Amino acid sequence: NAGVTQTPKFRVLKTGQSMTLLCAQDMNHEYMYWYRQDPGMGLRLIHYSVGEGTTAKGEVPDGYNVSRLKKQNFLLGLESAAPSQTSVYFCASSKTILEGLLSYEQYFGPGTRLTVT
Amino acid sequence: ELKVEQNPLFLSMQEGKNYTIYCNYSTTSDRLYWYRQDPGKSLESLFVLLSNGAVKQEGRLMASLDTKARLSTLHITAAVHDLSATYFCAVDNIGGDTGNQFYFGTGTSLTVIP
Repeated sequence: NAGVTQTPKFRVLKTGQSMTLLCAQDMNHEYMYWYRQDPGMGLRLIHYSVGEGTTAKGEVPDGYNVSRLKKQNFLLGLESAAPSQTSVYFCASSKTILEGLLSYEQYFGPGTRLTVT
Repeated sequence: ELKVEQNPLFLSMQEGKNYTIYCNYSTTSDRLYWYRQDPGKSLESLFVLLSNGAVKQEGRLMASLDTKARLSTLHITAAVHDLSATYFCAVDNIGGDTGNQFYFGTGTSLTVIP
């Protein structure tokens, strides 16, 4: 049981290049999320998905696109990278039952450190 | 606008001392989560609080939730160096009127000094 995995772990892009970050979870969770974490700003939600084939915008969606073609995978795309997108990206998944109550406790992947020059 | 505010943002405390981190939120959610993050690492779930009055304890950490006051606390008892990390609280608004989102506080960076 690997939990939540992210690929790649590190990447350096030049301005204008594109890339896709892959998130995979093996816990059969319905909900998946992409965050970015910048120093002093906590986590900010980019996009999320509440089920296969669905996506929605979070707090900072501009410059990113996502797809959830399979329940276990959530892809984050950068079409034309900008230096402002230099960040650490975390994927998370959630939805479970805990103590008889619905819990959306999030399980996080290890992160992808992206630098755009 | 939905907000989650933590204080303090930075905390330096001596080993053996007690302290409390506060998390105020503006949603009507009954679900509150605490996470720990070590430098350069991912977030690890600490506590899940799912109802008013919920209290959870693990070692030297104890978390509580007061949904009426929209306040959660993370109490540290007799701090040790291993507790040095950044602690985040978060609430979800799933099923609410702003979509199924999570909202994180900006984190409390805790340093325990000998």
